[in-house]
Amino acid sequence: EAQVTQNPRYLITVTGKKLTVTCSQNMNHEYMSWYRQDPGLGLRQIYYSMNVEVTDKGDVPEGYKVSRKEKRNFPLILESPSPNQTSLYFCASSYRQGHGYTFGSGTRLTVV
Amino acid sequence: LAKTTQPISMDSYEGQEVNITCSHNNIATNDYITWYQQFPSQGPRFIIQGYKTKVTNEVASLFIPADRKSSTLSLPRVSLSDTAVYYCLVGLMNRDDKIIFGKGTRLHILP
Repeated sequence: EAQVTQNPRYLITVTGKKLTVTCSQNMNHEYMSWYRQDPGLGLRQIYYSMNVEVTDKGDVPEGYKVSRKEKRNFPLILESPSPNQTSLYFCASSYRQGHGYTFGSGTRLTVV
Repeated sequence: LAKTTQPISMDSYEGQEVNITCSHNNIATNDYITWYQQFPSQGPRFIIQGYKTKVTNEVASLFIPADRKSSTLSLPRVSLSDTAVYYCLVGLMNRDDKIIFGKGTRLHILP
């Protein structure tokens, strides 16, 4: 089944403890992206990647890192999480930017 | 980047046709228009995409006038399960740029 898989679905962590949210797609898509969603603010793009080893900042990149060493994986790294990064995170992929995206099921992160 | 404007919310009744209009006055020549549906705590789901005139699939229709400065998503005979947030996106083709989701339209279907 074609899908975008995020892990974990839920995560509670403490301030400053490094964490990684994984994202994997099995559709050989070139384009991948991370969004966060907060009440009243909608979906905001954190980082995106046009292809392997090509990444760029979205609207809210501060406090996040990404890497794209393989086409299928696009992990989101929080080196030192803070409470304002408590949010619902979505990973998405597309075979080409501007076409329909497939989204993962989301990761609900709570930083205390 | 082409910014989009949609109504914040809409109400309708089961069995009705619902039309949600999106304005995108500065749409670029190569931009496509894409609509997504999102249920609470789920990722957005692709509904339909078009470039000009009319596109129809098993879920919805998309109407795009000749000037492409707006588009209308049409949902035929809605049901309670169509209650969701609907996003209009104007996407860039083959360019290194950002894709922006607006705040969407919260559609509430009443029995």
